[in-house]
Amino acid sequence: GDSVTQMEGPVTLSEEAFLTINCTYTATGYPSLFWYVQYPGEGLQLLLKATKADDKGSNKGFEATYRKETTSFHLEKGSVQVSDSAVYFCALSGRDDKIIFGKGTRLHILP
Amino acid sequence: EAGVAQSPRYKIIEKRQSVAFWCNPISGHATLYWYQQILGQGPKLLIQFQNNGVVDDSQLPKDRFSAERLKGVDSTLKIQPAKLEDSAVYLCASSSPGTGRLFFGSGTQLSVL
Repeated sequence: GDSVTQMEGPVTLSEEAFLTINCTYTATGYPSLFWYVQYPGEGLQLLLKATKADDKGSNKGFEATYRKETTSFHLEKGSVQVSDSAVYFCALSGRDDKIIFGKGTRLHILP
Repeated sequence: EAGVAQSPRYKIIEKRQSVAFWCNPISGHATLYWYQQILGQGPKLLIQFQNNGVVDDSQLPKDRFSAERLKGVDSTLKIQPAKLEDSAVYLCASSSPGTGRLFFGSGTQLSVL
């Protein structure tokens, strides 16, 4: 069945560092791909999405490109801030809008 | 626009007791999901409704879990009897079909003692 694999955390970076969180997927057909974020004490919310190959989703300085050839959707940000500390979940939407999440990557940004 | 409403916010029960959670999705959202999120893990899909029909319940432990969405709006998720390993946050989410964008409620944190 469909699945999402993302890098283990926690990831700890200094402020203004470059961030990459890896995500790969397995799916039949052509899923849509998402990154959701869970800030401390808050609920899950959509960060960005891409619906077809080579699409780039972006929001709040974060970017991810849908790579069909490598079945990947890595999350990147050029300069992280303390406020980016959160848990990040990669997800896919397959047949019948079934949405599957990865295990999450906790990100700590040090001032 | 009102968000996804869930209740209760917290629940503590003893094993073998029963518990029920309630969810009211965003108005007009035909698709409703229940997820289980164990501490330190990603949300695991338990059941997905489209209007009042079940689309997927392949990971719902049907010997103890049940869910319904009778009028295609509100939904309830029940556990009977509860086990220690059911301790988790139960998340309800809704979406418009085809968008893939989920709107989550604040969740119900269940502790089974």
